[in-house]
Amino acid sequence: DAGVIQSPRHEVTEMGQEVTLRCKPISGHDYLFWYRQTMMRGLELLIYFNNNVPIDDSGMPEDRFSAKMPNASFSTLKIQPSEPRDSAVYFCASSFLGQGFSGNTGELFFGEGSRLTVL
Amino acid sequence: KQEVTQIPAALSVPEGENLVLNCSFTDSAIYNLQWFRQDPGKGLTSLLLIQSSQREQTSGRLNASLDKSSGRSTLYIAASQPGDSATYLCAVSNRDDKIIFGKGTRLHILP
Repeated sequence: DAGVIQSPRHEVTEMGQEVTLRCKPISGHDYLFWYRQTMMRGLELLIYFNNNVPIDDSGMPEDRFSAKMPNASFSTLKIQPSEPRDSAVYFCASSFLGQGFSGNTGELFFGEGSRLTVL
Repeated sequence: KQEVTQIPAALSVPEGENLVLNCSFTDSAIYNLQWFRQDPGKGLTSLLLIQSSQREQTSGRLNASLDKSSGRSTLYIAASQPGDSATYLCAVSNRDDKIIFGKGTRLHILP
């Protein structure tokens, strides 16, 4: 398997524009996580899905952020409108059988990240 | 609310030394704890995962321990090498399947 694939790797946009980040999890994984990483705040969990269903979006900073997972092999994170404070690296990660089941390794696999710069 | 703390934030040690990285968490009701490595500009790579029922895991020169009752984990690196230079993050998995990360320890091995 090619691992978790994210696109674009780099995005530079102007304030007010819509940004869409994409993620393809590892085939067979049933949990998908979106994280945001900044120097100041570290890695923050934004939202996660189980079997394509959003389980917890309490980490999504504002209504400007939305995430979808229309099928098991694709997820998007959208920011509309974007602001300079949204500049960060956004990571997608996936795992198999979730983290809460005994007997499961629960290993988390990360993509390479999407570096977003909002001017 | 689970909080994960890693101390120190940065560490420099001479090549060949053994070292210990620390991770603490506030809620001991976890399912597992993972240690990750992150190289600059890259994603995170899982190094070791310890289930809540386990006390340690080993992989090569790495050994991770878990003391759930005290909310602590350590990552021991033996005979450090310049290639070990990276940021090391720990993450805990809660009962609700949330995975919360510490801010990491930036490790620099001096040749």
